[in-house]
Amino acid sequence: GESVGLHLPTLSVQEGDNSIINCAYSNSASDYFIWYKQESGKGPQFIIDIRSNMDKRQGQRVTVLLNKTVKHLSLQIAATQPGDSAVYFCAENIRKRSNYQLIWGAGTKLIIKP
Amino acid sequence: DTAVSQTPKYLVTQMGNDKSIKCEQNLGHDTMYWYKQDSKKFLKIMFSYNNKELIINETVPNRFSPKSPDKAHLNLHINSLELGDSAVYFCASSSLTSASTDTQYFGPGTRLTVL
Repeated sequence: GESVGLHLPTLSVQEGDNSIINCAYSNSASDYFIWYKQESGKGPQFIIDIRSNMDKRQGQRVTVLLNKTVKHLSLQIAATQPGDSAVYFCAENIRKRSNYQLIWGAGTKLIIKP
Repeated sequence: DTAVSQTPKYLVTQMGNDKSIKCEQNLGHDTMYWYKQDSKKFLKIMFSYNNKELIINETVPNRFSPKSPDKAHLNLHINSLELGDSAVYFCASSSLTSASTDTQYFGPGTRLTVL
C-alpha cells in the first residue's frame, strides 16, 4: 500500500546542534516530496521540496536528501534554534486518476533543549 | 491580508448539533481542500474542490458536506455532530492538482470540540 512514515515521533536536540528528521515512503512512482513545519496552534507551513530527479536540495539552514533506492527522505536543520520547535511532516505527491494528492507522514515533534 | 483564513478558530458544541466552518483564500488558487487532524497530529484529507467541483472525496461520513460557492471559498457543514468529530480542521489551497509539483497553503485551523 501507499504510506509515508517517520522513524521517530519525537526528537530532542540541543540548541545550536544539527537536527535530522527521517521519513520513509513506499510509493516508488512518487516524483515530488515536500516537508512542512507545523508550529503549535498553527497550520502546516511549506519548508522545502524536492523532485525525484534530485537527491539533494538546500534552503536556508535546511537541506532535504532523497534516497530513491531505499525510499528514504530526510530533513536536516542546521544550528537548531528555539523557533524550530514544531512538528515536521513529510508528504509525497502521488497521482490518483487525473489529479495529484498529497499523502502525509505521521509527523515528528522536534524539541529544542536550551 | 491572510492568504488562507478560516472561521471560527474555536468551536465548542453539543453532540447532535449542526455546525459550519468557513474558509476563504485570496491567493487566486483553483483548488481548495479540507483536512482533519486528530489528537496525534495525523493529517487526513477529507475533500478537494477544483473550480467549485468536487475532485477528491475520501471516506468521510455523509454528515460532512462541503460547499463551494466560488473558487475562493470552501465551507464545511457538519450535521449531527458526534464525539469522534472532535479534531482540528484545516483548510488549504493550491494552484492546481494536475501538476506533480504543486504546493498547498494552509489556514490556521479550526479546533472543534464536541461535548
